[in-house]
Amino acid sequence: DQQVKQNSPSLSVQEGRISILNCDYTNSMFDYFLWYKKYPAEGPTFLISISSIKDKNEDGRFTVFLNKSAKHLSLHIVPSQPGDSAVYFCAASAGQWDFNKFYFGSGTKLNVKP
Amino acid sequence: KAGVTQTPRYLIKTRGQQVTLSCSPISGHRSVSWYQQTPGQGLQFLFEYFSETQRNKGNFPGRFSGRQFSNSRSEMNVSTLELGDSALYLCASSLAGDRIDYGYTFGSGTRLTVV
Repeated sequence: DQQVKQNSPSLSVQEGRISILNCDYTNSMFDYFLWYKKYPAEGPTFLISISSIKDKNEDGRFTVFLNKSAKHLSLHIVPSQPGDSAVYFCAASAGQWDFNKFYFGSGTKLNVKP
Repeated sequence: KAGVTQTPRYLIKTRGQQVTLSCSPISGHRSVSWYQQTPGQGLQFLFEYFSETQRNKGNFPGRFSGRQFSNSRSEMNVSTLELGDSALYLCASSLAGDRIDYGYTFGSGTRLTVV
């Protein structure tokens, strides 16, 4: 039973436009969320996090939004750049009782076209 | 500073054999977690170690085991290999013992192929 879902396996965006990657979760105990990006033949790279006490967190071109009532989070990349082309994973954790155990979505492959 | 180092990068084993994978975390990181990545199942949590103690475990059979040494380096072992164990095994380290605000840092993984 997948507790974190990324329903869009791929997304194509023009350079300079906004990329919006979505993630849904089912476990209401999740209170900490991360986004990672992954290039082929490399391990995932941490991008941005958000805890359940917030509904938004920004870091440069990356913003993560959390809608707890809908159990939904999204990653916005503005403006998108060709170097952003990668697979993006969202991950969720259920708090201090689940030390460093994260549930990952299946990933969304982002292609930013020049 | 050096990142998370996983060795070997690639490994081919025969069904029924056992394998040991190694992970050296970032200096100062005390928590090490292991994940299995397969095309069908995505990234799945195997276990997490902190100060040489396993604190958390995923839903994998007992053939999958691990340990952590006093220098925080970690190994995972898979015994009686099955074809389905073919996967990318990722190790991740983090600084804090509980809540992490920086996210894991992942290694590049060990690609295990079982034939």
